[in-house]
Amino acid sequence: DSGVTQTPKHLITATGQRVTLRCSPRSGDLSVYWYQQSLDQGLQFLIQYYNGEERAKGNILERFSAQQFPDLHSELNLSSLELGDSALYFCASSVGRDRGSTQYFGPGTRLTVL
Amino acid sequence: AQKITQTQPGMFVQEKEAVTLDCTYDTSDQSYGLFWYKQPSSGEMIFLIYQGSYDEQNATEGRYSLNFQKARKSANLVISASQLGDSAMYFCAMREATNSNSGYALNFGKGTSLLVTP
Repeated sequence: DSGVTQTPKHLITATGQRVTLRCSPRSGDLSVYWYQQSLDQGLQFLIQYYNGEERAKGNILERFSAQQFPDLHSELNLSSLELGDSALYFCASSVGRDRGSTQYFGPGTRLTVL
Repeated sequence: AQKITQTQPGMFVQEKEAVTLDCTYDTSDQSYGLFWYKQPSSGEMIFLIYQGSYDEQNATEGRYSLNFQKARKSANLVISASQLGDSAMYFCAMREATNSNSGYALNFGKGTSLLVTP
């Protein structure tokens, strides 16, 4: 158990809908990262927050947004869902935001868009 | 952009044998971090080992060691005394700086599927 929690574990929804994925980092970790894992794209970085501020942005679609709250938990919002958004979404956390900070991953949320 | 290459899509190893999973990387940065993660069939990503670019010694964590050859830009994972529970996907990743606001992201390879046989 990495100490990172993600809810829900599974999510099934329809095209055009909006969902929110939730992540609680390990105790003491200030950085939160979101990744998407799909069969065709592999593991891709979406976005990073550090202590409430956005720090890095990857291949995140405009239909997706995220935030980190004062209690350091984070939410990833996915809207106008398409079939291609079906994937495993990981949240990870680290103590700091520097190059050597190890990222510990949560169990993931498996999103299925029908 | 930095790139991670894992050339072995799948590998077999017999229980109790050692196995090496290959990883090469491409970067122009002098300071970088290399990571290996394990993903069993249950789906979670488990951190195994970390190597910093300035670390003079190869990293070791229990049965895992990282064979770091900086000049060749390779960071191979060595698993000694393989166990059935080692069967999983293994991902090599590099921590890369992004252009925005001092953030860092992990850039992953495509992974190697390891099957440990009795």
